Amino acid sequence: QKEVEQDPGPLSVPEGAIVSLNCTYSNSAFQYFMWYRQYSRKGPELLMYTYSSGNKEDGRFTAQVDKSSKYISLFIRDSQPSDSATYLCAMSAGSGNTPLVFGKGTRLSVIA
Amino acid sequence: DTEVTQTPKHLVMGMTNKKSLKCEQHMGHRAMYWYKQKAKKPPELMFVYSYEKLSINESVPSRFSPECPNSSLLNLHLHALQPEDSALYLCASSQGGGPYNEQFFGPGTRLTVL
Repeated sequence: QKEVEQDPGPLSVPEGAIVSLNCTYSNSAFQYFMWYRQYSRKGPELLMYTYSSGNKEDGRFTAQVDKSSKYISLFIRDSQPSDSATYLCAMSAGSGNTPLVFGKGTRLSVIA
Repeated sequence: DTEVTQTPKHLVMGMTNKKSLKCEQHMGHRAMYWYKQKAKKPPELMFVYSYEKLSINESVPSRFSPECPNSSLLNLHLHALQPEDSALYLCASSQGGGPYNEQFFGPGTRLTVL
């Protein structure tokens, strides 16, 4: 079993839809969770950062962490064509310079 | 300013060439990273520098040689690469201490080895 599992998609939704992206993990030591957005041929852009369990909201984006289920989610409300990208979850067990473990990424297309 | 810059944006090199990739950040971050990313794959960690010292080397071949001249700069020296080394090379930085470790990535250098 891989440390972090993420459905690679592709996921195609109509403009305005609510998008749900998910990752599961096996290492119970993970406590820092991140979501990155990566446009084609560009570097990953940090979208959301969460420590431990709970929800975090930033505009149209909501990140949820359920440590008891080892499950994290990213919700995108009112999705736009500009949200079309690959979304990578990443997590680590420690702070400082502890390496991140990435999911494979989910390719999202929002159709106008 | 949460910007990490990388130069060049694109690089084409032969297998006998020597070239360098450069990365710079001015966020006061003390940890810097090199990643390699192949198409449709997540980034793979290569090296981590913490407070200008190499702290992690993920068994990367010696044809890749990192260098951290100061806390703002990170270089990756390339020599005798193979075509399979063609990829997007990403630099990232993070605070390097305390409870936070969000990593901020640069735009990458797209490397093609002929």
